[in-house]
Amino acid sequence: EVQLLESGGGLVQPGGSLRLSCAASGFRFSSYGMIWVRQAPGRGLEWVSGISAGISVTHYADSVKGRFTISRDNSKNTLYLQMNSLRAEDTAVYYCAKKAVVGTSGWFDPWGQGTLVTVSS
Amino acid sequence: QSVLTQPPSVSGAPGQRVTISCTGSSSNIGAGHDVHWYQQLPGTAPKLLIYGNSNRPSGVPDRFSGSKSGTSASLAISGLQAEDEADYHCQSYDSSLSAYVFGTGTKVTVL
Repeated sequence: EVQLLESGGGLVQPGGSLRLSCAASGFRFSSYGMIWVRQAPGRGLEWVSGISAGISVTHYADSVKGRFTISRDNSKNTLYLQMNSLRAEDTAVYYCAKKAVVGTSGWFDPWGQGTLVTVSS
Repeated sequence: QSVLTQPPSVSGAPGQRVTISCTGSSSNIGAGHDVHWYQQLPGTAPKLLIYGNSNRPSGVPDRFSGSKSGTSASLAISGLQAEDEADYHCQSYDSSLSAYVFGTGTKVTVL
């Protein structure tokens, strides 16, 4: 069974940093692109970042570019999101998800259960 | 901030048919990028419901169907059931933004 399990969320002060992890199992992790999506309280979904398989090309939403860094460790089947210079508007549940196919028309399946990040003083 | 527009809510009685629209533009849906749909039950993570505009993953009831035309897409739920009460999100890719984009989300209420 394909499973994704996020961890690393919590309460952090504005300007602080946090690193999220997403442990994958049940599939060949190295062969698939992975993404992070967030959902602010009571709001819709927002794509945050993505990383390809192979040479690990990365992409970011404008809202996090220069502050967040996505990476992966294929030897540990784990996806990461390093979040720096956090702002109140980064408060959200962060989900990792597996990208189903290569290319821009891909969908995301499955999703992890999410981890809550709260940025507040 | 969302690039794809959905109605905030739709409702229907058990057994009825409801549809949810997802309106985009020439840089996303209109550019030929596929539309996918996710169901998010209360307090849970999103789950893939429709992929590639109209395809259902195994395990998804055939009451759910998707379509796409021009710069819009639609999700239809026929034979509405109480367990369908959830938030539904459409998703595509935007060539101008070079980013994946989601809809504003629609809450389905079963009366």
